[in-house]
Amino acid sequence: GIQVEQSPPDLILQEGANSTLRCNFSDSVNNLQWFHQNPWGQLINLFYIPSGTKQNGRLSATTVATERYSLLYISSSQTTDSGVYFCAVNPMDTGRRALTFGSGTRLQVQP
Amino acid sequence: DTGVSQNPRHKITKRGQNVTFRCDPISEHNRLYWYRQTLGQGPEFLTYFQNEAQLEKSRLLSDRFSAERPKGSFSTLEIQRTEQGDSAMYLCASSLEGARPQHFGDGTRLSIL
Repeated sequence: GIQVEQSPPDLILQEGANSTLRCNFSDSVNNLQWFHQNPWGQLINLFYIPSGTKQNGRLSATTVATERYSLLYISSSQTTDSGVYFCAVNPMDTGRRALTFGSGTRLQVQP
Repeated sequence: DTGVSQNPRHKITKRGQNVTFRCDPISEHNRLYWYRQTLGQGPEFLTYFQNEAQLEKSRLLSDRFSAERPKGSFSTLEIQRTEQGDSAMYLCASSLEGARPQHFGDGTRLSIL
């Protein structure tokens, strides 16, 4: 099956700093989503981005489908950004609908 | 859009008991998915419905697990004869047909004593 690798596995930032999270995947995809799982376990949709670039406030994401990677940018980080960020993909042309998740990047933003 | 609703939020039960969870998807979504997440891991796919038809099942879904979506709306996930290893967060998601984003509920956290 498709492989999804996220880096870095852990990240500690001071409030106000910027960061870039990376997601590499092994096959072509027709769905790529970024999620934030907060400390209460809620999985929050950030972006649906199988290709291209999107921005939402302090967050933006870029997926380069031909090179099989996606980047999530967090600018001016806040303590509320803490949690685990997951990338999840659905492979193209398999008929499968399940998302395959990476192992996540655990982000801690310190005041 | 009221979001995906899951009940209960928490379930504590003794080993060997049966448990059932419910998921109400976003109303116009015809696809519904179940995932399981253990501590420190990403969610793993269990099964998927399109309307009332169960179209895909993971190898994780042992014969103690059964899922239904009888009228193509809400879904239930039952675990029979629970084991310690079933302790996890059970997440439900829904989506429209086609290459569309999946939207997740807040999950049901199962603890086996």
